[in-house]
Amino acid sequence: DQQVKQNSPSLSVQEGRISILNCDYTNSMFDYFLWYKKYPAEGPTFLISISSIKDKNEDGRFTVFLNKSAKHLSLHIVPSQPGDSAVYFCAASGDNNDMRFGAGTRLTVKP
Amino acid sequence: EAQVTQNPRYLITVTGKKLTVTCSQNMNHEYMSWYRQDPGLGLRQIYYSMNVEVTDKGDVPEGYKVSRKEKRNFPLILESPSPNQTSLYFCASRPEINRGASYEQYFGPGTRLTVT
Repeated sequence: DQQVKQNSPSLSVQEGRISILNCDYTNSMFDYFLWYKKYPAEGPTFLISISSIKDKNEDGRFTVFLNKSAKHLSLHIVPSQPGDSAVYFCAASGDNNDMRFGAGTRLTVKP
Repeated sequence: EAQVTQNPRYLITVTGKKLTVTCSQNMNHEYMSWYRQDPGLGLRQIYYSMNVEVTDKGDVPEGYKVSRKEKRNFPLILESPSPNQTSLYFCASRPEINRGASYEQYFGPGTRLTVT
């Protein structure tokens, strides 16, 4: 039972353009959402998060949008750079300290 | 340097031979957890620990054991490994959650385990 879904296994964009990674969740008890980035042979590293009391959080080139009614969040990277090429995991958490991850989306940014 | 370390990084073993993957963090974090990553399934939590001597099952605990005798260490034990436990394993830690605190976890570099 995957409570967090990333339906696009891969995404390819041109350098300088926008990358949009999507994530859907089913559990309405989730109230905190995170994006992690993972390079090969390394552990995931935290990228950006958002609480359910907000609908947007921005950090430099990275912006996360949350649509609670649709149970959907997205990560926007503008402008995309080749160094952004990695696997991106969406994660969600609630009061019970559970953290559920999506299957990941592999982003390739072409020079 | 603040970090989570795992050993070994790579391990090939045979069915039934007990093994332990160690995990250690130097950030004085209360919470530690183990995940496995499999293609198409993302990261699934195996076990977690809220503090010393407190452990709980995650989503996929079958075939695994953990212990938390010290705050910094959280070893993962496979008493009788089977081929379906071939996977990439990550240990993670974070501070205790307080209202307003981040849920961000710090991950180790991973251990790739192959059970033949």
